[in-house]
Amino acid sequence: DSGVTQTPKHLITATGQRVTLRCSPRSGDLSVYWYQQSLDQGLQFLIQYYNGEERAKGNILERFSAQQFPDLHSELNLSSLELGDSALYFCASSPRASGAGTDTQYFGPGTRLTVL
Amino acid sequence: QKEVEQDPGPLSVPEGAIVSLNCTYSNSAFQYFMWYRQYSRKGPELLMYTYSSGNKEDGRFTAQVDKSSKYISLFIRDSQPSDSATYLCAMRPTNSGYSTLTFGKGTMLLVSP
Repeated sequence: DSGVTQTPKHLITATGQRVTLRCSPRSGDLSVYWYQQSLDQGLQFLIQYYNGEERAKGNILERFSAQQFPDLHSELNLSSLELGDSALYFCASSPRASGAGTDTQYFGPGTRLTVL
Repeated sequence: QKEVEQDPGPLSVPEGAIVSLNCTYSNSAFQYFMWYRQYSRKGPELLMYTYSSGNKEDGRFTAQVDKSSKYISLFIRDSQPSDSATYLCAMRPTNSGYSTLTFGKGTMLLVSP
């Protein structure tokens, strides 16, 4: 168990809908990362927050947004969902902002999103 | 060309075999290399990390980096059925300052008893 928790485990919804995925980082970790994993694209970095502030952006669509709250948990909001958004969404956390050196990212169990 | 290439497998081996998992990459600025293991329906977990070139050993696992060839490897000795998982390589350009991780798509390993 990595210490990172994600809810819900599974989510089934329809096209055009909006969903919110939640992540609680390991105790003491200030950085939260969101990733999308699909069979054809692999693990793709979406966005990072550090201590409440956006730190880095990857391949995140404009329909997606995230935030990190004062208690350091994070939410990923996905709107106007399309069939192609069906994937596993992982949250990871690390102690520091830089993601460098031994600043290891610890992954949560993921949320499986199915868009019908 | 993708920044990080990894054969998706599956790679099927009998228990006790030596396994070699590999990644090639195109960005010569990558300095920091990691191997993650991902069991089915679970999140990736860090197995090993190495900085720049060289070897690193941890129990049955050895990570090897050849920066001149832009090639990294993970060797698993005395493979066990419990090693059956997908192995993802990941890398980033610097050991200081901010940089995101770039992952390979993963190689599925199946170890049969």
